[in-house]
Amino acid sequence: AQSVAQPEDQVNVAEGNPLTVKCTYSVSGNPYLFWYVQYPNRGLQFLLKYITGDNLVKGSYGFEAEFNKSQTSFHLKKPSALVSDSALYFCAVRDRKNYGQNFVFGPGTRLSVLP
Amino acid sequence: EPEVTQTPSHQVTQMGQEVILRCVPISNHLYFYWYRQILGQKVEFLVSFYNNEISEKSEIFDDQFSVERPDGSNFTLKIRSTKLEDSAMYFCASSSTQRETQYFGPGTRLLVL
Repeated sequence: AQSVAQPEDQVNVAEGNPLTVKCTYSVSGNPYLFWYVQYPNRGLQFLLKYITGDNLVKGSYGFEAEFNKSQTSFHLKKPSALVSDSALYFCAVRDRKNYGQNFVFGPGTRLSVLP
Repeated sequence: EPEVTQTPSHQVTQMGQEVILRCVPISNHLYFYWYRQILGQKVEFLVSFYNNEISEKSEIFDDQFSVERPDGSNFTLKIRSTKLEDSAMYFCASSSTQRETQYFGPGTRLLVL
């Protein structure tokens, strides 16, 4: 069965500092990996995905994520955080071999960027 | 940029009543999904729909739930007899293919009293 862990409920960073939001996953085969962001009272917005190819994936709003197969991780990063990045971040996984089409989401990490 | 829309944004209903949540997926997408998020908890998959039939459903999606694509644009989730524990944010999503990114709507917040 697929599962996603986001070990930190809350991440606090100062504006201008680099940020990392951690994600580890478990699937039976090779994964499709995604990051979504949720602003208050809003839906989930797609940030980036890893399907195949380069392990470093660049996405929207200056975010990037690195797929690490040996550590089964897909951490989200940004070199310089903005206050407007404060939101709830969800990692999601799908198993390539799974005939299902649904995502399994992590529990979410709340990012607070302090001015 | 095309987006998924959902109506209503908020719905309050009495326990035992039927509710229909509506979604308009992105126009050229073929795969449609419903997820829910109970307050403070993670997003959970309910059902996926392709070619006018359910392709996968979770344990949450019991006989009280149904989905329909009544016309070429709408995708609905019906809860026949709501329970208190159905209170949640319900998200619709769509994708162009099975592999591609799922794009989510803004959600409908359902409150069952």
